[in-house]
Amino acid sequence: GAVVSQHPSWVICKSGTSVKIECRSLDFQATTMFWYRQFPKQSLMLMATSNEGSKATYEQGVEKDKFLINHASLTLSTLTVTSAHPEDSSFYICSASEQGVSPLHFGNGTRLTVT
Amino acid sequence: DQQVKQNSPSLSVQEGRISILNCDYTNSMFDYFLWYKKYPAEGPTFLISISSIKDKNEDGRFTVFLNKSAKHLSLHIVPSQPGDSAVYFCATGYFGNEKLTFGTGTRLTIIP
Repeated sequence: GAVVSQHPSWVICKSGTSVKIECRSLDFQATTMFWYRQFPKQSLMLMATSNEGSKATYEQGVEKDKFLINHASLTLSTLTVTSAHPEDSSFYICSASEQGVSPLHFGNGTRLTVT
Repeated sequence: DQQVKQNSPSLSVQEGRISILNCDYTNSMFDYFLWYKKYPAEGPTFLISISSIKDKNEDGRFTVFLNKSAKHLSLHIVPSQPGDSAVYFCATGYFGNEKLTFGTGTRLTIIP
């Protein structure tokens, strides 16, 4: 089955630094990937849609300058949390689908803790 | 504005019995519905889906029911097994469009 790999699985960083999270589709090409964020005991909230070769589409309320998304190839999308603050601490999950057909396959997520 | 709601944050079921998880949505235009299972510190795993042209879809122990008039779907797991203990999310969207809206999740605990 389709596999989505996310790295790192957890990261601790100091306030003010930037953190990059990678999302790879291992055995298929994904023109579109999605980035979600999940706070404890809450739903997965879509942050942005990452489009290969073009700009990402951000959901309302998500700061595009803070959460930089790059989708440089058909198998890799990156999310960079810039100038991270403690309130950015969360569980970030990426997803992709084969040939644009559901269901989405998810990575294992990245637990970000900003101290 | 929560478009997809799972009103039960948690549910405990005896092993071997039926687990029923519920989900309500507000947008009648949604035509594709999915259930995902999630373990702690992992990404969600797809379980089963249904399109709006059907009212039931079955896959092994898992059955999803869709009531379009009530804007309600449910997931039945029978018989429930200890490995089913996880958080279950329903998700809705438009068929052919990968963008999904997720519910708030229900934590299912199967009691041995």
